[in-house]
Amino acid sequence: AQTVTQSQPEMSVQEAETVTLSCTYDTSESDYYLFWYKQPPSRQMILVIRQEAYKQQNATENRFSVNFQKAAKSFSLKISDSQLGDAAMYFCASSGSARQLTFGSGTQLTVLP
Amino acid sequence: KAGVTQTPRYLIKTRGQQVTLSCSPISGHRSVSWYQQTPGQGLQFLFEYFSETQRNKGNFPGRFSGRQFSNSRSEMNVSTLELGDSALYLCASSPGPLQGMNTEAFFGQGTRLTVV
Repeated sequence: AQTVTQSQPEMSVQEAETVTLSCTYDTSESDYYLFWYKQPPSRQMILVIRQEAYKQQNATENRFSVNFQKAAKSFSLKISDSQLGDAAMYFCASSGSARQLTFGSGTQLTVLP
Repeated sequence: KAGVTQTPRYLIKTRGQQVTLSCSPISGHRSVSWYQQTPGQGLQFLFEYFSETQRNKGNFPGRFSGRQFSNSRSEMNVSTLELGDSALYLCASSPGPLQGMNTEAFFGQGTRLTVV
């Protein structure tokens, strides 16, 4: 079984600044995938970024990047040049051989103008 | 290309009743999975359907069931509703079986179920 832990229920950042959201996970599998999803007030889950565990290189998508520390089982999300539209609940998730996503409890991000 | 469509968006039901939620996946997607989201338990996996067969099931009682049709549309049914079933039910679709990179699922906007 996989577990995902997000220890920051809430975070805030000033517009244009950088913020890092933390996530740790636990799995006994060697082949797995990690994801960050964003859920704005519209409630629709939107994939932000994904990381294949076998890849050493950290994934990057425009202003979003991850710091994947496999040995430490850590998968943090960095948002650069924060924008008001980045305000949302962010979920870290993992998947492995089981045909499902396992989610963390989420981090509510507030962007201050 | 249309996204994942869930109907209805909102639903109010009475304890003891049953409810059916519908999910139309993205065209061409054959896998549909369902998740329950509550403030207390967070996001929990309910089940996944692929090619009209349930491939995986989460830790939910038998009151929760589902099915998938030949056009990949899926329905989820909850019988004998309890107050604790009040939640946002999210449906996600992916092109193939929900494994590995295909776990990059595309979500609908959910159905908000309130049980009174």
